[in-house]
Amino acid sequence: QKEVEQNSGPLSVPEGAIASLNCTYSDRGSQSFFWYRQYSGKSPELIMFIYSNGDKEDGRFTAQLNKASQYVSLLIRDSQPSDSATYLCAVNTPDTGNQFYFGTGTSLTVIP
Amino acid sequence: ETGVTQSPTHLIKTRGQQVTLRCSSQSGHNTVSWYQQALGQGPQFIFQYYREEENGRGNFPPRFSGLQFPNYSSELNVNALELDDSALYLCASSRGTSSYNEQFFGPGTRLTVL
Repeated sequence: QKEVEQNSGPLSVPEGAIASLNCTYSDRGSQSFFWYRQYSGKSPELIMFIYSNGDKEDGRFTAQLNKASQYVSLLIRDSQPSDSATYLCAVNTPDTGNQFYFGTGTSLTVIP
Repeated sequence: ETGVTQSPTHLIKTRGQQVTLRCSSQSGHNTVSWYQQALGQGPQFIFQYYREEENGRGNFPPRFSGLQFPNYSSELNVNALELDDSALYLCASSRGTSSYNEQFFGPGTRLTVL
């Protein structure tokens, strides 16, 4: 069973702060990692993906991957109230094709 | 907007009935994956279709079945509905089956089983 673990939160940060969301995974063979944002009652929306160890930046978002520690994180800089949502971590392994394994998500609230 | 569409938006069924959910993939995408998302949980993989063939299946019973059509749209069929089948059903399209391919989700179908 491939496990993807996220702290369910809720995580609260003040507006303008950095929000840090974490995810660990059990399958050392995992190759690709995706972060989705899901607003209440809506479907997941892809924010970022990362394949290589290190950091990947896209605007206010930075994904960090450490395969040795089986850990992936998402940093949101200058957090805005519109960032309040549940953030889902998804992991993909080559032996299961394009099947994504999702964590249960972390609920983020940005306080104005 | 991802260009992935699903119908219907909401559906109410009773236990034992059958349901068919539909998904149209994004232009240029030949792979459709279906997920079930229970309240407060992450999406769980049901199965994936690539070029009209099933290309992987999660831990769901055979009463969950699917189809993919030549235009890459897809159907999810669930027979003998159970109360626990109440969930948001999501389809995601991608450009191929590589583990590096991003998946883009449709708006989902909310199924309620009474």
